[in-house]
Amino acid sequence: AQKVTQAQTEISVVEKEDVTLDCVYETRDTTYYLFWYKQPPSGELVFLIRRNSFDEQNEISGRYSWNFQKSTSSFNFTITASQVVDSAVYFCALRGSEAAGNKLTFGGGTRVLVKP
Amino acid sequence: DAGVIQSPRHEVTEMGQEVTLRCKPISGHNSLFWYRQTMMRGLELLIYFNNNVPIDDSGMPEDRFSAKMPNASFSTLKIQPSEPRDSAVYFCASSTRTGGHEQYFGPGTRLTVT
Repeated sequence: AQKVTQAQTEISVVEKEDVTLDCVYETRDTTYYLFWYKQPPSGELVFLIRRNSFDEQNEISGRYSWNFQKSTSSFNFTITASQVVDSAVYFCALRGSEAAGNKLTFGGGTRVLVKP
Repeated sequence: DAGVIQSPRHEVTEMGQEVTLRCKPISGHNSLFWYRQTMMRGLELLIYFNNNVPIDDSGMPEDRFSAKMPNASFSTLKIQPSEPRDSAVYFCASSTRTGGHEQYFGPGTRLTVT
């Protein structure tokens, strides 16, 4: 069975602070994919990033960065110099091997509130 | 390119009525997913299709729920009869079956059953 745990339910920061969202996953597959999605107050789910299990390079995109560590089964997400527009619920998700089907297992989400 | 299109965006109906939600996936995507989101249960996968064929419907809560995908560009999720506990936001998503398989979500349909 696959499982994604986002232990932080809500994080509140002041603008310009950095915020790190934790994601821990469980899977028996050797090949898998990890994702982060953003759900702003308007409600849509926006794809942010995908990472393959065989690629442990960290990634930076503007103020966003992701730290993938297979040894600890974690795929953490950091927002640097947060802005009010970053206020949203962020979901981590896992997709296993093709044999396991191509559905995503989502974590419970972390609500980020950035105060001005 | 147009994203995933869902209609209606909002639906208010009375208990016992039939509700039909519609989805048009991104052109060229051959997997389609229906999700439900509530405060209590979070994001739940209801059913998904590959190449218009239902693959896994284990998330469909009851026989009152049914989904069809008559062609590659259209899918429906039907609830008959609807109940107040069906009130939720229903998302449709689509993806390719190659590469990273990331799913792209539609704007959702907010369903309220009174």
